[in-house]
Amino acid sequence: QKEVEQNSGPLSVPEGAIASLNCTYSDRGSQSFFWYRQYSGKSPELIMFIYSNGDKEDGRFTAQLNKASQYVSLLIRDSQPSDSATYLCAVGGNKLVFGAGTILRVKS
Amino acid sequence: EPEVTQTPSHQVTQMGQEVILRCVPISNHLYFYWYRQILGQKVEFLVSFYNNEISEKSEIFDDQFSVERPDGSNFTLKIRSTKLEDSAMYFCASSGLQGGETQYFGPGTRLLVL
Repeated sequence: QKEVEQNSGPLSVPEGAIASLNCTYSDRGSQSFFWYRQYSGKSPELIMFIYSNGDKEDGRFTAQLNKASQYVSLLIRDSQPSDSATYLCAVGGNKLVFGAGTILRVKS
Repeated sequence: EPEVTQTPSHQVTQMGQEVILRCVPISNHLYFYWYRQILGQKVEFLVSFYNNEISEKSEIFDDQFSVERPDGSNFTLKIRSTKLEDSAMYFCASSGLQGGETQYFGPGTRLLVL
């Protein structure tokens, strides 16, 4: 059974700080990794995807992948109150396996 | 910007009734998916669909469920005889030319079975 694990949080950070969200996965053969943001009662919204080891930056967001450690992370720089949401890590290709999500609260 | 749309946004039904949830994927996408999320739980994969047939399904997707692409734009999920435990948000998603590409999610249908 492929699994994706996330700390449920909540992770609380002050406005302007860096938020660090982490995810581990069980299937060593996984090739595609995604971070989605989900506001309460809404659908998952894609933030970033990463396929290769290392860092990938997009604006305030940086995804980091370490396949040897089966670890994916998301850094949010200059966190804003509007970033407060649940962040879902998803792994896979044809079928996405989601973690339970980490609740992020950004305090102004 | 192209987006996945779903109808209805909310559906209330009686246990044992049939429901059909509708989705219009992004127009040039070839892979279509259904996921569900029970309140407070993980998003769970139900089924993927490509080239007019199911490419993968989960153990949740039993004989009560079926999917169809009745025309060039719609993608439907039918639940034949709803159970209380089918109450959930149902999300449709689509992705582009190759399996494994980024999946874009619709706004969801909230299904409540009474």
